[in-house]
Amino acid sequence: DARVTQTPRHKVTEMGQEVTMRCQPILGHNTVFWYRQTMMQGLELLAYFRNRAPLDDSGMPKDRFSAEMPDATLATLKIQPSEPRDSAVYFCASGFYGLGAYNEQFFGPGTRLTVL
Amino acid sequence: DAKTTQPNSMESNEEEPVHLPCNHSTISGTDYIHWYRQLPSQGPEYVIHGLTSNVNNRMASLAIAEDRKSSTLILHRATLRDAAVYYCILSAGANNLFFGTGTRLTVIP
Repeated sequence: DARVTQTPRHKVTEMGQEVTMRCQPILGHNTVFWYRQTMMQGLELLAYFRNRAPLDDSGMPKDRFSAEMPDATLATLKIQPSEPRDSAVYFCASGFYGLGAYNEQFFGPGTRLTVL
Repeated sequence: DAKTTQPNSMESNEEEPVHLPCNHSTISGTDYIHWYRQLPSQGPEYVIHGLTSNVNNRMASLAIAEDRKSSTLILHRATLRDAAVYYCILSAGANNLFFGTGTRLTVIP
């Protein structure tokens, strides 16, 4: 049963520290999304990639957040330096985009980040 | 992006049908109607999507009004596992999905 995996599942860190979250998309998917969910803002799209190239990162705070896809099996979301307001659940999702194909998004279990 | 309006919460008895409404009066001709749901402590999962015609799949049915200004997600027999937040989303593609606040469905045993 193919699924998106995310590590770590939980992360507690102190303000100012660097945080790296990892995502392994479903094999064969060419689109990867990063979302953030908080009680106040709900689920927000931060960025997404197609064929490892960033297509849209307008939802991501540029000064401290960065997202990359070093290869087709790994996507990373980095926060440096982290702040308490970054505390949230971060979801990765993947999907296949192709002519005539519906790009259903498959979500991972999320990384719960707490910044003290 | 066109907006959707959903009730904040709904309740249903177990094994009864559930009709989850969604209003989208500003929908454009190229907007698909997507439904996702989020079970407690999990990421969202796809439920169904449609453009103009009613759609059925193993999880649910989607009834779309003739003028497309509203739609209804139908769960034919609610189970406890269907308790979740249900999101109705409009998007021309399946990439830029704005999830909104959704409808929290409670299923009563």
